[in-house]
Amino acid sequence: DAGVTQSPTHLIKTRGQQVTLRCSPKSGHDTVSWYQQALGQGPQFIFQYYEEEERQRGNFPDRFSGHQFPNYSSELNVNALLLGDSALYLCASSLAMGHYEQYFGPGTRLTVT
Amino acid sequence: AQSVTQLGSHVSVSEGALVLLRCNYSSSVPPYLFWYVQYPNQGLQLLLKYTTGATLVKGINGFEAEFKKSETSFHLTKPSAHMSDAAEYFCAVSEKTSGTYKYIFGTGTRLKVLA
Repeated sequence: DAGVTQSPTHLIKTRGQQVTLRCSPKSGHDTVSWYQQALGQGPQFIFQYYEEEERQRGNFPDRFSGHQFPNYSSELNVNALLLGDSALYLCASSLAMGHYEQYFGPGTRLTVT
Repeated sequence: AQSVTQLGSHVSVSEGALVLLRCNYSSSVPPYLFWYVQYPNQGLQLLLKYTTGATLVKGINGFEAEFKKSETSFHLTKPSAHMSDAAEYFCAVSEKTSGTYKYIFGTGTRLKVLA
């Protein structure tokens, strides 16, 4: 049973560029959440997708957007990258929107230069 | 909104000594609580979780945590530290908003194990 997978593992971008990160949820899960973990900090909730719609959003600017596909996989897009966007981006999936437990992927390390 | 406080951003213990990492939460409803460990350049690994029932929860690698409602605490312990326990530890609460859950994490505690 495959767990949550994310791609790519590492990514280096330049300020002002755009980036897309990908996530495949654990088998049987239909809800995907994204978190940003800056160096030395705890993960911060970005947003959550269920039934291809954004259901909840944290305190992140509109430069952060997402998408969920019919197969429940998800993308996180960040436009106009800033140096401060450098972080580990974690994807988590859950069995259903109303389920309290999430399963985390290994993360994508984004470095903005 | 719920919140999680981890007291002590850095904790050092000697190998073989007791490990105690502190976590306090704020919640107006019975919480779902979690402890995760993160090794350098890796993702989060679930150590243990409290949902309902027994307040003393046992996890992997010899860790356990006790849910104390009266103290709003969920401290993580291990009787005897091992060098391989050196890592960053995060306490989290699962918060329900508008019918859906998200995790609120503490700021983390970096555990150092001294030989």
